[in-house]
Amino acid sequence: GENVEQHPSTLSVQEGDSAVIKCTYSDSASNYFPWYKQELGKGPQLIIDIRSNVGEKKDQRIAVTLNKTAKHFSLHITETQPEDSAVYFCAASKGSNDYKLSFGAGTTVTVRA
Amino acid sequence: DAGVIQSPRHEVTEMGQEVTLRCKPISGHNSLFWYRQTMMRGLELLIYFNNNVPIDDSGMPEDRFSAKMPNASFSTLKIQPSEPRDSAVYFCASSFTSGDNEQFFGPGTRLTVL
Repeated sequence: GENVEQHPSTLSVQEGDSAVIKCTYSDSASNYFPWYKQELGKGPQLIIDIRSNVGEKKDQRIAVTLNKTAKHFSLHITETQPEDSAVYFCAASKGSNDYKLSFGAGTTVTVRA
Repeated sequence: DAGVIQSPRHEVTEMGQEVTLRCKPISGHNSLFWYRQTMMRGLELLIYFNNNVPIDDSGMPEDRFSAKMPNASFSTLKIQPSEPRDSAVYFCASSFTSGDNEQFFGPGTRLTVL
């Protein structure tokens, strides 16, 4: 089955700086890569996703890049703010051919004011 | 839209007792997922329903766990008998159809088995 590895497990950044989280996956058939943000006491919430037919996607301060050859994808948060502090999960699936999302272990991001 | 609704939000029970967790998916969604989250194992998929039918229950840890979806708007996850190692946060999520559609997670049920 799919194995998703996520690094780092914790990340502390100064407000205004950028944060980068990296994930690798093992199954070359995976073609859908969502990122979820989980705030304390809440369920994960989708913040951005990317499909294998594109290499990069941006939404305001958040961007995701995908390298299918190397089987890795990354989340970039620019101009970090205190409200960005949360746990972030990457995930992978085979898209419409498979319902199952394989999650990374999560990255706890702390933005220092 | 109220989102995915789970109840109870917190449950504390004693070992050996039966525990029932409840989920109401978003109206119109036809896929429902139960996950368990722990520090040690992260987010684990327990079971997946499509159109109220269990499709994959390979993540259910053992026979003490069972899940039902009697209709499109309600699902339960039951643990009988409960054990301390079942302590975790249990999430229900729903989506349209397939794996490349956003899964909407509920707020979770924090279960503590003493």
